Amino acid sequence: EAQVTQNPRYLITVTGKKLTVTCSQNMNHEYMSWYRQDPGLGLRQIYYSMNVEVTDKGDVPEGYKVSRKEKRNFPLILESPSPNQTSLYFCASRKDRESNQPQHFGDGTRLSIL
Amino acid sequence: QQQVKQSPQSLIVQKGGISIINCAYENTAFDYFPWYQQFPGKGPALLIAIRPDVSEKKEGRFTISFNKSAKQFSLHIMDSQPGDSATYFCAASREGSGGSNYKLTFGKGTLLTVNP
Repeated sequence: EAQVTQNPRYLITVTGKKLTVTCSQNMNHEYMSWYRQDPGLGLRQIYYSMNVEVTDKGDVPEGYKVSRKEKRNFPLILESPSPNQTSLYFCASRKDRESNQPQHFGDGTRLSIL
Repeated sequence: QQQVKQSPQSLIVQKGGISIINCAYENTAFDYFPWYQQFPGKGPALLIAIRPDVSEKKEGRFTISFNKSAKQFSLHIMDSQPGDSATYFCAASREGSGGSNYKLTFGKGTLLTVNP
């Protein structure tokens, strides 16, 4: 089954404790991205990756890092989480850079930073 | 700068009624307009999409209407069902050359509730 898998699904942690949210896709997609979803703000792109070792900032990259060492994996790293990063996070992938391809989303990771 | 404005923020419709969600965009270079549907606890999923060379696209009970001159597009859900209750996001992007991101710009979402 084609899917994007995020882990963990839920996490409560404290300010400053480094955390990583993993994302893996099994569709051999080139393009992957991370979004955060906040009430009233919709989906905002954090980082994206065109392919292995090619990453770039989206609209709200501050406080986040990513890496793309393998095509299937695109982890989101919060080096020093802060309460304003409490949000619902989605990883997404699509076949390639062309935006007319369907974008496949994971089921989300709800992060609470205390 | 919000490039895609979506309204209403929430919508309540009776079963069998028509649900209408509207979006307006600013960037005339946008040329791909998808709608995504999100159920609670799930990620968004592509529902239907349109390009500006057509004014309407229909898939089952879901129709996109597109008005290029007004820079507006809308989603119509005919014979709305309780199972349609979800959050709907419109989006827009620019295909082809230029721009390294090819990203989707999303509206803020509409929470649709269809009462039985």
